[in-house]
Amino acid sequence: DAGITQSPRHKVTETGTPVTLRCHQTENHRYMYWYRQDPGHGLRLIHYSYGVKDTDKGEVSDGYSVSRSKTEDFLLTLESATSSQTSVYFCAIASTIGYNEQFFGPGTRLTVL
Amino acid sequence: EDQVTQSPEALRLQEGESSSLNCSYTVSGLRGLFWYRQDPGKGPEFLFTLYSAGEEKEKERLKATLTKKESFLHITAPKPEDSATYLCAVQAQGGSEKLVFGKGTKLTVNP
Repeated sequence: DAGITQSPRHKVTETGTPVTLRCHQTENHRYMYWYRQDPGHGLRLIHYSYGVKDTDKGEVSDGYSVSRSKTEDFLLTLESATSSQTSVYFCAIASTIGYNEQFFGPGTRLTVL
Repeated sequence: EDQVTQSPEALRLQEGESSSLNCSYTVSGLRGLFWYRQDPGKGPEFLFTLYSAGEEKEKERLKATLTKKESFLHITAPKPEDSATYLCAVQAQGGSEKLVFGKGTKLTVNP
């Protein structure tokens, strides 16, 4: 398995509270991604990073921010969580070497009440 | 806009009954097409990358093929442990490394 961990694995929070999800990799890969997965929508890209302090928006970035201060860590923050952000969040990593396949972490299940 | 459509949404097979899953796509210049397997409660697991029409890749009972408009994932003599959701994704040329995913096909193989 690719060396990707996500924390926490499960979280229940209330509307309006800030939430930070962490993705940690041990592969030293350049690219890191945050996706959300919802029934009927599949995997959708929230934000991605192509290097330390280099990030860009994905398809569904509203209400989310990210930060990457070290190669190994990519943080996803919900500044003020809403019920529509209840979802399963996956982090992925990809190397610039080879075929650029993305490898996924185990996911974080977030419930916003 | 890049799009990926997978069919069928769900497929039930008997053990040993071969079949195919379809992934049709529209993309402004295909850089790569990816197949993943996802088990319940887990992250997607990488299976194959295809780059050009006519290319084929195999792994155990799975074979992926690619044309200019679609990809097929052929499952030969499936076993119950092949039950999972299979995801298809495309990457467009342009260098952002972003993937656009289909909604997946949920495969159930009954013993």
